[in-house]
Amino acid sequence: AQSVTQLDSHVSVSEGTPVLLRCNYSSSYSPSLFWYVQHPNKGLQLLLKYTSAATLVKGINGFEAEFKKSETSFHLTKPSAHMSDAAEYFCVVTPRVAGGTSYGKLTFGQGTILTVHP
Amino acid sequence: DTAVSQTPKYLVTQMGNDKSIKCEQNLGHDTMYWYKQDSKKFLKIMFSYNNKELIINETVPNRFSPKSPDKAHLNLHINSLELGDSAVYFCASSQWVDSYEQYFGPGTRLTVT
Repeated sequence: AQSVTQLDSHVSVSEGTPVLLRCNYSSSYSPSLFWYVQHPNKGLQLLLKYTSAATLVKGINGFEAEFKKSETSFHLTKPSAHMSDAAEYFCVVTPRVAGGTSYGKLTFGQGTILTVHP
Repeated sequence: DTAVSQTPKYLVTQMGNDKSIKCEQNLGHDTMYWYKQDSKKFLKIMFSYNNKELIINETVPNRFSPKSPDKAHLNLHINSLELGDSAVYFCASSQWVDSYEQYFGPGTRLTVT
């Protein structure tokens, strides 16, 4: 079984300041981890993914995340927030089950709403 | 061009009615999914089809019946709608059954009154 906990339901930052969205996971198997972003009234867009290669993963729009197995964390960061980053962010885990397939069974966190102030 | 499209975008209906939501992807993907996002924004997978074959069927009431006429389409039919069915339903697709990257549609907001 796997689960995801996003530690903050809301994060508010000023434009130009760093962003940190926290995510902890648990998984019975080696996990693959993702961050998705959902802008208001839009579908979800993949920001970045970790699938067992480099532990520091770079994504779109300047976001990156670091997989830390010892801390079971996959926090999302960005050095400088932009107004267009305001959205809801979802941390997602899927097990890399022995045999190579997890049948795409993603488990989503509860979401973190990011607000960016001018 | 919209990669994953859903119709309708909004659906308001009364309890007891039967309704369908349609999903189409033009990405040439083999696998498609339905997710439900509840009022607390929690997203949970409902079904997954790979090349028209059902491969994931989570604990969903049998009032919900997915149908995949071909691998580019995955429709969701809901019988005897209940208040608790009110949610946003997202369709998604991925290239293969074990591709981790899923592409999501814009969602269908279903309101049952």
